[in-house]
Amino acid sequence: DTEVTQTPKHLVMGMTNKKSLKCEQHMGHRAMYWYKQKAKKPPELMFVYSYEKLSINESVPSRFSPECPNSSLLNLHLHALQPEDSALYLCASKSTGTSGYNEQFFGPGTRLTVL
Amino acid sequence: KQEVTQIPAALSVPEGENLVLNCSFTDSAIYNLQWFRQDPGKGLTSLLLIQSSQREQTSGRLNASLDKSSGRSTLYIAASQPGDSATYLCAKGGYQKVTFGTGTKLQVIP
Repeated sequence: DTEVTQTPKHLVMGMTNKKSLKCEQHMGHRAMYWYKQKAKKPPELMFVYSYEKLSINESVPSRFSPECPNSSLLNLHLHALQPEDSALYLCASKSTGTSGYNEQFFGPGTRLTVL
Repeated sequence: KQEVTQIPAALSVPEGENLVLNCSFTDSAIYNLQWFRQDPGKGLTSLLLIQSSQREQTSGRLNASLDKSSGRSTLYIAASQPGDSATYLCAKGGYQKVTFGTGTKLQVIP
């Protein structure tokens, strides 16, 4: 099974709402990633978890809060977002931690719209 | 700052044509180079992964090469088909991070 799943597929939220994005993989990968992708732009790295610990935070605003409750799950908690946060949020995973030698697998993404 | 650029930004070709997509990177500290395909509004599908010790990889009609010394990778698509229409992204793998290229939007005209 080489699949990374993400829920929900689409999310519309107001600026005062609290919501969460979920990502799951059952490939035994120990590195998981959150990316943000705006239209016609490449994905931008937000967070990296290695062995369930946050290893990289690319200076992401605190209204985005990641969580890795176990080796298969990755959440992104959203609170007080701005309209400019509307984007496609992609989750990815890679085997054996953050070693650069391994292939990265992506989920289908969550299309987020902030009103 | 690491930069990965892709040329051309957009490409339109007739069906059946062979084509080459280019990817250039400025930092030679590379672990691997991965090529992805992305359909509109969708996630990324991995096409080929070339390790830093390799020169090329092949999968079906796709062939990717890597030249670390010149900081270049190419993706060759043989006998293009309308189903190949998508955005193609190269991604340079570092120790922990992956840096994406700017993308090439490909349209194959029937």
